[in-house]
Amino acid sequence: QQQVKQSPQSLIVQKGGISIINCAYENTAFDYFPWYQQFPGKGPALLIAIRPDVSEKKEGRFTISFNKSAKQFSLHIMDSQPGDSATYFCAASKGGSARQLTFGSGTQLTVLP
Amino acid sequence: GAVVSQHPSWVICKSGTSVKIECRSLDFQATTMFWYRQFPKQSLMLMATSNEGSKATYEQGVEKDKFLINHASLTLSTLTVTSAHPEDSSFYICSASGPLGNSPLHFGNGTRLTVT
Repeated sequence: QQQVKQSPQSLIVQKGGISIINCAYENTAFDYFPWYQQFPGKGPALLIAIRPDVSEKKEGRFTISFNKSAKQFSLHIMDSQPGDSATYFCAASKGGSARQLTFGSGTQLTVLP
Repeated sequence: GAVVSQHPSWVICKSGTSVKIECRSLDFQATTMFWYRQFPKQSLMLMATSNEGSKATYEQGVEKDKFLINHASLTLSTLTVTSAHPEDSSFYICSASGPLGNSPLHFGNGTRLTVT
């Protein structure tokens, strides 16, 4: 049973455009939702994270929108740049812990120059 | 910021040999480290949770005798792939977090293992 469903599998965006990646979860016990960015041959790097007490969190060009009732959260990348081209993973964990994460299947983002 | 170092970054070994991968937390003490396996264009699959000073907890379907984990100190965990076979070829990634339950998880840069 896939507990965190991520879409789309791949995304192509023009430079300056908005990239949107969506995730949906099933386990209502999840209470920590990070997004990771991974470049080829590298480990994932924490990009931004949110807890369910807020509906939105913004850090620079990256924004997480969180809808608790729909059990969905999304990553928005504003003014997308070619350097943002990478694979993005959403994840979720429970019990207030950021440790034992359940990952989404990943989205390969390509930003065209 | 917190850094997790993983070594080696890539290794090629012959079938039947064993390979050890190290994961170090450089500027924080990690009571818990995690080992993942990632196939090309796929997500990270949690293999095991490594606890300092105790036995690792393996996920269902992961052979503990094949993937030996040792977490002898608060800054070092090792994964040994024993009697490696070509099907063990993969990208192995470790992660670690600080002592607090809500400390963020930081990942190493991974180890590309190729078994010939």
